[in-house]
Amino acid sequence: DGGITQSPKYLFRKEGQNVTLSCEQNLNHDAMYWYRQDPGQGLRLIYYSQIVNDFQKGDIAEGYSVSREKKESFPLTVTSAQKNPTAFYLCASSIVPTRSIHEQYFGPGTRLTVT
Amino acid sequence: QKEVEQNSGPLSVPEGAIASLNCTYSDRGSQSFFWYRQYSGKSPELIMFIYSNGDKEDGRFTAQLNKASQYVSLLIRDSQPSDSATYLCAVTSGGSYIPTFGRGTSLIVHP
Repeated sequence: DGGITQSPKYLFRKEGQNVTLSCEQNLNHDAMYWYRQDPGQGLRLIYYSQIVNDFQKGDIAEGYSVSREKKESFPLTVTSAQKNPTAFYLCASSIVPTRSIHEQYFGPGTRLTVT
Repeated sequence: QKEVEQNSGPLSVPEGAIASLNCTYSDRGSQSFFWYRQYSGKSPELIMFIYSNGDKEDGRFTAQLNKASQYVSLLIRDSQPSDSATYLCAVTSGGSYIPTFGRGTSLIVHP
């Protein structure tokens, strides 16, 4: 089955700790994305990557870091510098960005709670 | 600043009725339009996309695009309680493949 997996589903951390969220896809998609969703809010883009070893900041990159060492994987690290890290984190992917239609497909999400 | 606006709702419709969800966007250069369904606590699921003016039908769902008036709609015919969810509108503009998402409209279909 092709798809996007995120782990873990729920994550609890103490304030001041860095935490890494996993995202893996076997859809052979080139582009991958990380979004954050807060209650009653739309999706806000954190980082995105078009190709391996390259990524770009989104609208709210401060306090986050990513890597793209493999086409299939795009992990997100939430650092202690992120002031309000508690949120629902969504990973998405899409096929070649140069196509005219760029539909994104989402993983199941990771709900992070920092206390 | 590209904006995508949706009425937050909730929109409440009886079972079997037509639910109409609307989305307006600010960038006249917008090219691709997407509708996602998001159940509570779950991730968004792509329902439809449209890029030409007019209607696009897929089963009980119809997307309607009017670029002159800068709105895109999603109609759900024969609404079912299982359609109760938040519906997100997403728009991409010329030169960018990164969509801008609206905040979503909550739909409640009551028996």
